[in-house]
Amino acid sequence: EAQVTQNPRYLITVTGKKLTVTCSQNMNHEYMSWYRQDPGLGLRQIYYSMNVEVTDKGDVPEGYKVSRKEKRNFPLILESPSPNQTSLYFCASTLTGTDSYNEQFFGPGTRLTVL
Amino acid sequence: DAKTTQPNSMESNEEEPVHLPCNHSTISGTDYIHWYRQLPSQGPEYVIHGLTSNVNNRMASLAIAEDRKSSTLILHRATLRDAAVYYCILRDEIQGAQKLVFGQGTRLTINP
Repeated sequence: EAQVTQNPRYLITVTGKKLTVTCSQNMNHEYMSWYRQDPGLGLRQIYYSMNVEVTDKGDVPEGYKVSRKEKRNFPLILESPSPNQTSLYFCASTLTGTDSYNEQFFGPGTRLTVL
Repeated sequence: DAKTTQPNSMESNEEEPVHLPCNHSTISGTDYIHWYRQLPSQGPEYVIHGLTSNVNNRMASLAIAEDRKSSTLILHRATLRDAAVYYCILRDEIQGAQKLVFGQGTRLTINP
C-alpha cells in the first residue's frame, strides 16, 4: 500500500531535550515536506526537500532541522524543543517538486507536546 | 500568494449532494485548483484538482467557472464519512516548490 508513515504518533517531552520525528514514504517520491498545524493558523510548511541532499526552508523553519540522506526518509529534528513547538506535525510527499498538478500524500500526523 | 475564500462551515444530510464553493478571484492563468480534505484526527488527503475544465473522479466532481475565478466541489451523495474540513488550494509555485497554502477551509457536517 502506498503510504507515508510517521513515528512517533504522539510524543510528550520537556524543553531542551533533542528529539527526532521520522517520516518515510514508499512511493519513490522525489519531493517531501513537513507542515505544522495549529488552531487558527492552519497548516504551515516548515521545510521541504526537492530530492536527496536538497533541502530548503519553508515558512516557519526556526527551531527545526531536516536531512534527506535517502529518498524515502525525511526526518524532522528539534535540537532544543520549546513549548511554542507544541503542535500537530504532518509529513507529506509528492512525485516531483516541479509539477503543479501532482497530488500530495500526507502522513497520519505526530502530536507533539513540549512541557 | 493567490488566495481562496471558502465558507467557514456547511451542513448537509446523508445521501444528498453537497456543493462546496470556493472563490479565487486573483487566480493566475497557470494555477491549478486543488481540493484536499482532512478527516478528524487524520492528515489531509487529496480529493481532486483541475485547471480549466470540469473534472470527475471516484470521490467527487470539480466544476470550474469559465473565468476561473470560482470553483465548486461536488459530492454527489454525501455519507457520514465525508464529514471533514475541505480545503480549496491554488497550487503555489515558488521556485518550483510544491508548497500547498492551506486556508481555514470549510467544515462540512453531515447529518444522518
